[in-house]
Amino acid sequence: QQQVKQSPQSLIVQKGGISIINCAYENTAFDYFPWYQQFPGKGPALLIAIRPDVSEKKEGRFTISFNKSAKQFSLHIMDSQPGDSATYFCAASTGFQKLVFGTGTRLLVSP
Amino acid sequence: DVKVTQSSRYLVKRTGEKVFLECVQDMDHENMFWYRQDPGLGLRLIYFSYDVKMKEKGDIPEGYSVSREKKERFSLILESASTNQTSMYLCASSVHLGQSGYTFGSGTRLTVV
Repeated sequence: QQQVKQSPQSLIVQKGGISIINCAYENTAFDYFPWYQQFPGKGPALLIAIRPDVSEKKEGRFTISFNKSAKQFSLHIMDSQPGDSATYFCAASTGFQKLVFGTGTRLLVSP
Repeated sequence: DVKVTQSSRYLVKRTGEKVFLECVQDMDHENMFWYRQDPGLGLRLIYFSYDVKMKEKGDIPEGYSVSREKKERFSLILESASTNQTSMYLCASSVHLGQSGYTFGSGTRLTVV
């Protein structure tokens, strides 16, 4: 019940396209859903986060969509650029519990 | 610029050696974490600490121990390194255990030969 399932494992998108990464969870007590971006040779960095009182949060080209009833949330990268090529992790947590991470999605944006 | 600093970028150690991985944060965070990252397995939590001298096991603590004698420093210890501990090790810190972002270091790539 503590798992966060992330898909796909890898993704290739053409420059200018939309990248979509999905995550699903079982624990309805989760109330914080961040996304992390990791470039090769670097540690993950917080990209954007959402709480369940909103269905969407947008920061620049990055949008989190949240579906509470389906227990799913997704990251959309609009107008994907080669510089977006990285590994993306979703995560979730509840109250004073530590983050539970998805297994990661390796995104490659082809020029 | 707030930082989590891992002392080594690359390490090569021999099987059976005792290995110390050091992590220092300058943000006065209460919580610190050690993860290992392996292809296809994502980030797996080894240990975390929510206060000085306090520690809790994560999902894969076997073969590891930790030490937190000062708030800013969290050490990961491989008591007797084995080849299956070859991995990327990531340290992180946070204000809150689950309701705020984690700040990660750049990682230590450990190879055990």
